Amino acid sequence: GAVVSQHPSWVICKSGTSVKIECRSLDFQATTMFWYRQFPKQSLMLMATSNEGSKATYEQGVEKDKFLINHASLTLSTLTVTSAHPEDSSFYICSARDGGRPRDTEAFFGQGTRLTVV
Amino acid sequence: AQSVAQPEDQVNVAEGNPLTVKCTYSVSGNPYLFWYVQYPNRGLQFLLKYITGDNLVKGSYGFEAEFNKSQTSFHLKKPSALVSDSALYFCAVRDPTTSGTYKYIFGTGTRLKVLA
Repeated sequence: GAVVSQHPSWVICKSGTSVKIECRSLDFQATTMFWYRQFPKQSLMLMATSNEGSKATYEQGVEKDKFLINHASLTLSTLTVTSAHPEDSSFYICSARDGGRPRDTEAFFGQGTRLTVV
Repeated sequence: AQSVAQPEDQVNVAEGNPLTVKCTYSVSGNPYLFWYVQYPNRGLQFLLKYITGDNLVKGSYGFEAEFNKSQTSFHLKKPSALVSDSALYFCAVRDPTTSGTYKYIFGTGTRLKVLA
């Protein structure tokens, strides 16, 4: 089946630094990728949608300058949290759509990244 | 506005008993409906989906879900629960008319605890 690999699984960074999270589709071409944020014991909040080769579309309330999303290839999207602060600590999950499958195919999710800003 | 409701934060069930995790939605038209499961510190794993056709859909690990259009519900069920089913379950919908976006709307999640 389709595999989405997210790296790193967890990361600790100092306040003020930037951290990059990678999301790769291992065996399919991900025409669309999604980035979610999940707070403890809460649902997934969609942050942005990115299509390969174009700028990401951010959800209302998400700071595009703080959460930089790049989808430069059909197998890789990155989320960079810039100038991270403790309130950015969260669980970040990516998902990807296989452009070669029918429209009703489910999205495939990465394993998630636990970010802790100290 | 489009929304998904999972009215129960937690469901407890004894091992071997049937389980139901509830989901209702508010989306115009004929949405696609999904169930995902999440284990601690992991991403979401797909369980099953309803697109069209038979209202009862079967999925992974013995789970099934029943689509009820009149009640706008898509409850997840399993005839006999296992301790290993203990996890966080998310219901999600996608509006197929929003072409090109493929955005999902997730419920708040229901924690299932199966007691030995």
